[in-house]
Amino acid sequence: DTGVSQDPRHKITKRGQNVTFRCDPISEHNRLYWYRQTLGQGPEFLTYFQNEAQLEKSRLLSDRFSAERPKGSFSTLEIQRTEQGDSAMYLCASSPPWGGEETQYFGPGTRLLVL
Amino acid sequence: ILNVEQSPQSLHVQEGDSTNFTCSFPSSNFYALHWYRWETAKSPEALFVMTLNGDEKKKGRISATLNTKEGYSYLYIKGSQPEDSATYLCAFMNRDDKIIFGKGTRLHILP
Repeated sequence: DTGVSQDPRHKITKRGQNVTFRCDPISEHNRLYWYRQTLGQGPEFLTYFQNEAQLEKSRLLSDRFSAERPKGSFSTLEIQRTEQGDSAMYLCASSPPWGGEETQYFGPGTRLLVL
Repeated sequence: ILNVEQSPQSLHVQEGDSTNFTCSFPSSNFYALHWYRWETAKSPEALFVMTLNGDEKKKGRISATLNTKEGYSYLYIKGSQPEDSATYLCAFMNRDDKIIFGKGTRLHILP
């Protein structure tokens, strides 16, 4: 499977715990995006990487959220001291270099439930 | 404030009927408009990326049009089938690489 993959697919955690999600983009894609989606809403942009550089970060991303893409390939999204309001679907998407095809290819998402 | 609106929010269509829905987006600093289809428990699937005013794209029974001057796009489905049941998302991308999604139109095809 050469699509975008995310791990884990589901995560249940207790409030206050830290969680980390991983996204593996399509190999030749240098752009990587994280989104959060809650019930009844479209995906909300969280952050964007071009290669290993984090170029944009939404104001939705509080200090408890951090994302990395150390080698410009896979990315991790960490949420520290989780809160119930963090429960959502976390989607990752990748796309080819700027100026080429603009389609974003989405992974299956990680569904987080904070108890 | 960048805002992307989709209407209707939800739609029930009889199998075999044709339907359409709308995406409204900011008309300034436009770069691209994306349409995705999102089935429950699956990843959003890219349908179209449109960049030029007046663009029309077609994929099987699904087509889309784009008006960047007035800031809207229509998605059309001809002869709806049960497998068309999904949420259809549009996403506006501006020249600063900022992407805003609409809330989607939930399409239910009735047998």
